[in-house]
Formats: sequence, C-alpha cells, structure tokens
Amino acid sequence: QLQLRESGPGLVKPSETLSLTCSVSGGSITSTYFSWGWIRQAPGKGLEWIGSIYQSGSTSYSASLESRVTISVDTSKNQFYLRLSSVTAADSGFYYCARHLNYWGQGALVTVSS
Amino acid sequence: QSVLTQAPSASGTPGQRVTISCSGSSSNIGSNFVYWYQQLPGTAPKLFIYSNTQRPSGVPDRFSGSKSGTSASLTISGLQSEDEADYYCAAWDDSLNGPVFGGGTKLTVL
Repeated sequence: QLQLRESGPGLVKPSETLSLTCSVSGGSITSTYFSWGWIRQAPGKGLEWIGSIYQSGSTSYSASLESRVTISVDTSKNQFYLRLSSVTAADSGFYYCARHLNYWGQGALVTVSS
Repeated sequence: QSVLTQAPSASGTPGQRVTISCSGSSSNIGSNFVYWYQQLPGTAPKLFIYSNTQRPSGVPDRFSGSKSGTSASLTISGLQSEDEADYYCAAWDDSLNGPVFGGGTKLTVL
C-alpha cells in the first residue's frame, strides 16, 4: 500500500522560506505516470492546490503561488519537496503531499509567526 | 472562490438519504474523474470515492458517487451520526494542469 508522509519545520518566520519533504513508501516515485503534488488547507478553510511534479520532471503550479513555489524530486530517496518563499501568516495551515488525487499524506501543520 | 461549486451545508436525519452535489466545467469534471473526500474535525481528508463511482476498501457501501456531464454527486443512503463531517469534491483540470476542489459541504446529522 502506497504511503506518503510529510515532514519539516512546524514554525517558520515571516518572509522566510517554508520547506517540506514528502517521503514515499510502498512504491517507487518513478513507477507511475501520475503526478506528485502539494495541497494545503488554511485553518477553517477549504483545500487549495499548490503545485505538482510529473514523472518527466516537469512542474505545474497554482497561478496564485507560482512566483513563490518550487517543487522538486529526489528519485534516489523516493522523496519530493516543497519550497515556498516569502511566507506570511496567510501561508499557515496544513500541508498535504499527494499522488494525484488518490493517495494523501496525513499532513504537516505549518505556522508562520515570529 | 473554489473552481468546483458545492453547497456549503447539508443536513439529514438518521436513516435518511442525502445527496451532495458538485458542479464544474468541461475542463475538469466534464473530462476527468471525480473524487470525493470526507474530512472529520482535526484530521486529514480521507478518500471516499474515486474514478467517479469507486469506493476504496473500508468505505461503507451506503456511500455512492455518480457523474453526469459537468456535475457529480455523492449520495449517502441510510445516514448515520458518524457521517457528520465536511465533504469535498475534486477533479483534475486540463486547463490549469492541476487539481481543483469544491469549497466543501458541511453535513450535519440532525
């Protein structure tokens, strides 16, 4: 059974960069043509797509976050990553990694505060 | 403003049949599979329906999904108190080259 797990700092200062890792187990990150992506949820709000990376290494990002987001992958570690720069309090919330729309991690809570 | 449209709330009494709708467009629901998630307070969204109508192992068979054109529905037959949760629909969007979500429907069991 494919499993995903997010990890990274739970507290980030305003204007700094949020960095999260998604570790994939139970399957290879290279063995599927599905996308690997990041989704977030602000407290009390709905789900928002951040961006995705594909088997080819190409990426696509939400237009509202594109200028601040980088998603990358390390196939040797079976991990992919999220970097979100110049964060503000509005970037606080749960961050989920996912394979397409059918496998999700349990989420990582990130708080942006000084 | 979510790309997919869901009513913000729905309710029903135990045993009742409840339907939650999700409306999109030709670039998302109209041309791709629909997914439904249940989110209980303080937990991650849990996949309840994939590929429009399929239930993952462990999801009760009183949950069913359907799709017609650019709209989709999640139906709960025989509502139970433990079904009280937020429900989200999602689909891949070919124009955005990424997934889009509904704003969520908060289901209350009266």
